[in-house]
Amino acid sequence: NAGVTQTPKFRVLKTGQSMTLLCAQDMNHEYMYWYRQDPGMGLRLIHYSVGEGTTAKGEVPDGYNVSRLKKQNFLLGLESAAPSQTSVYFCASSYRQKLFFGSGTQLSVL
Amino acid sequence: EDQVTQSPEALRLQEGESSSLNCSYTVSGLRGLFWYRQDPGKGPEFLFTLYSAGEEKEKERLKATLTKKESFLHITAPKPEDSATYLCAVQDPNTGNQFYFGTGTSLTVIP
Repeated sequence: NAGVTQTPKFRVLKTGQSMTLLCAQDMNHEYMYWYRQDPGMGLRLIHYSVGEGTTAKGEVPDGYNVSRLKKQNFLLGLESAAPSQTSVYFCASSYRQKLFFGSGTQLSVL
Repeated sequence: EDQVTQSPEALRLQEGESSSLNCSYTVSGLRGLFWYRQDPGKGPEFLFTLYSAGEEKEKERLKATLTKKESFLHITAPKPEDSATYLCAVQDPNTGNQFYFGTGTSLTVIP
């Protein structure tokens, strides 16, 4: 029962570095999402996808890019990391309006 | 403008002391209101979906209710294992593709 798996779980970056967060789901869900969670701000949607090969912007897309080349994978990229991108990142997939979340990636940008 | 507002921000209860958490929303044409539970270091876990005013859902010590502008999560005789952050969310009324979350209520149940 893997569900939604995120890698890595922790990462520390220096300002200006790039990285990719990987999300994989084994439930054959069409919809996938990337959220960030910050204290006092709640979960905010970065980007989402309604199916393989599609992506769309959410509430806070600036500084991030995404790709959905395979149905089961949704990648989140940071091209040039900034301290404001320090956060906990959650990936989710959805089915019949229910969101299924991964366990998160704690990212620190120094 | 915030779509979802939750209160209180934090709540401490004695074991067995019942209480309610509030979620008010401003979207018109509600497509669904959702409650999630989040434990420290983990992703949120789905609890309930409510669609129309007057609807109620129950699960163990939790009961969720919905009115035209707010939802309540009632916790009856809570136990320490109910300690978590409870999140409320609404679905985008236009596209249905996005979910807007509140900032959550952090519940601590003291033995």
